[in-house]
Amino acid sequence: ETGVTQTPRHLVMGMTNKKSLKCEQHLGHNAMYWYKQSAKKPLELMFVYNFKEQTENNSVPSRFSPECPNSSHLFLHLHTLQPEDSALYLCASRPGLVPGYEQYFGPGTRLTVT
Amino acid sequence: AQKVTQAQTEISVVEKEDVTLDCVYETRDTTYYLFWYKQPPSGELVFLIRRNSFDEQNEISGRYSWNFQKSTSSFNLTITASQVVDSAVYFCALSESGRDDKIIFGKGTRLHILP
Repeated sequence: ETGVTQTPRHLVMGMTNKKSLKCEQHLGHNAMYWYKQSAKKPLELMFVYNFKEQTENNSVPSRFSPECPNSSHLFLHLHTLQPEDSALYLCASRPGLVPGYEQYFGPGTRLTVT
Repeated sequence: AQKVTQAQTEISVVEKEDVTLDCVYETRDTTYYLFWYKQPPSGELVFLIRRNSFDEQNEISGRYSWNFQKSTSSFNLTITASQVVDSAVYFCALSESGRDDKIIFGKGTRLHILP
């Protein structure tokens, strides 16, 4: 596979469930990102990882827990979510420490919390 | 503080018309980078172009052209002879030197191309 992949593409979960979103990049990049996209707030940056170290947590509630075991994989662990967390969750990657380089995005996971 | 404004929330044009999407940015840095992305209904953001603050040359790629003007802090996208496949949300974004790991996105402009 090439580019940035995300699984699952669609997820429906109850408020008491625990689930995880997975992102994998095959581009040799070192920085990875989670974004939340909803109708109310397009493209909210959630987390940034650079060389596996978290460099940004944009005041995200603790019910979202990121994990970056290596530069190619990024997870978003979800637990006790709220209906307002329903959104499209996008993963992106870019070369770490390269000035001005663009991000490459995955297709997203459409999350519905019931 | 850095900021990207896309004042046009939604635009509708008839196929084959030209359309310009506006982007105005704010930054205190002298070195910065600007981007345009396209998000079709499938959801994936597709990178279109990157421009650094020292390169004010306008660029054309197929039916897309970009007009970068530092004097007005604008980086506008024009689509010539629009097609239905151009229907998407278009995002303008800014990255500052020194915060290379972070890109600030505008709120996007939803473009409808009517057949």
